[in-house]
Amino acid sequence: AQKVTQAQTEISVVEKEDVTLDCVYETRDTTYYLFWYKQPPSGELVFLIRRNSFDEQNEISGRYSWNFQKSTSSFNFTITASQVVDSAVYFCALSTSGTYKYIFGTGTRLKVLA
Amino acid sequence: ETGVTQTPRHLVMGMTNKKSLKCEQHLGHNAMYWYKQSAKKPLELMFVYNFKEQTENNSVPSRFSPECPNSSHLFLHLHTLQPEDSALYLCASSQVEGTYEQYFGPGTRLTVT
Repeated sequence: AQKVTQAQTEISVVEKEDVTLDCVYETRDTTYYLFWYKQPPSGELVFLIRRNSFDEQNEISGRYSWNFQKSTSSFNFTITASQVVDSAVYFCALSTSGTYKYIFGTGTRLKVLA
Repeated sequence: ETGVTQTPRHLVMGMTNKKSLKCEQHLGHNAMYWYKQSAKKPLELMFVYNFKEQTENNSVPSRFSPECPNSSHLFLHLHTLQPEDSALYLCASSQVEGTYEQYFGPGTRLTVT
């Protein structure tokens, strides 16, 4: 069975704090893709990153960084020095090779307080 | 226009009305998707079209009827809806092969009265 778990339903931080959003996935496939999306209040899901199962390198993009660990089946997302504009719901998703369907997690609502 | 657009952005309809949601993608993709997002529920995949052919119907009630006339346009025809169908309906597109990033539209907020 394939599954994505985002155990944190809601997180509140004060501006400039660092915050990590957890994502744990389950799949028996050896080739798969993991994604993070941001959904601001406007509603549109914004693509943030894709990682394939053969690339365990961590990635940093500005204040965003992602930690992919196959040993723990996790793909965590860290925002450094959070800002109010980071307030949104963040979704982790899994796609396995040969299919273009996503399995989404339930999302984590991040509130960054000024 | 760029990316994925959806119209209307907001829709209020009675249970006996018939309406349609429209999605258009300007990304040259060949797969399009309808999702339903209800409060406190995970994103639900409703339909998938691959090169204009429907390849997925996730047990969606027949009061939702999709149409994909070409790879750039996707419609969701609505009739005899129920109040529990009130939700945000999101359209997305992607390439069928490769790395599968899906790009989403802004959604249509539907309220059924």
